[in-house]
Amino acid sequence: GDSVTQMEGPVTLSEEAFLTINCTYTATGYPSLFWYVQYPGEGLQLLLKATKADDKGSNKGFEATYRKETTSFHLEKGSVQVSDSAVYFCALSGGDYKLSFGAGTTVTVRA
Amino acid sequence: GAGVSQSPRYKVAKRGQDVALRCDPISGHVSLFWYQQALGQGPEFLTYFQNEAQLDKSGLPSDRFFAERPEGSVSTLKIQRTQQEDSAVYLCASSLESWGQPQHFGDGTRLSIL
Repeated sequence: GDSVTQMEGPVTLSEEAFLTINCTYTATGYPSLFWYVQYPGEGLQLLLKATKADDKGSNKGFEATYRKETTSFHLEKGSVQVSDSAVYFCALSGGDYKLSFGAGTTVTVRA
Repeated sequence: GAGVSQSPRYKVAKRGQDVALRCDPISGHVSLFWYQQALGQGPEFLTYFQNEAQLDKSGLPSDRFFAERPEGSVSTLKIQRTQQEDSAVYLCASSLESWGQPQHFGDGTRLSIL
């Protein structure tokens, strides 16, 4: 079945550092890929998405490119802020409607 | 407009009690989903509605779990004879359509079974 594997955390960074969170997937067909973010005390929010190979999703300085050849959708941000501290989830929607999530990566940015 | 609203935000129940969790989706959203999120894990799919029809309940862990959406809007997830392993955050999400559309999540209900 469909599955997502993402980099284990926790990840601790200093402000203005570069962030990468690796995400790889297994799916039949051509899934849509998503990154969701969960800030402390809040619900899941959609951060960005990509619906076909080579698409790049971007939002709030974050980017991720749908790589079919490596079945990956790594999340990157060039200069993180304290306000980026959150749990990040990679997810896919395959041939059906369900979202399959990774286990989440906790990111802490220190001033 | 308003986002997905879930209530209660927190629920504590004794083992063996029945609980009901409510979800108000975004107005006009056809699809509604329930997920279960254990501590430190990603959400796991429970069930899916398109309008009032429950099209998939394959993720419900046992027959103690029951969900309904009788008028195609508000949904209720009911858990009968709760057990400690039911303790989790229950998330509701809605979307305009189903395939490929982003799902919008509520803040969840944190259920603790004592």
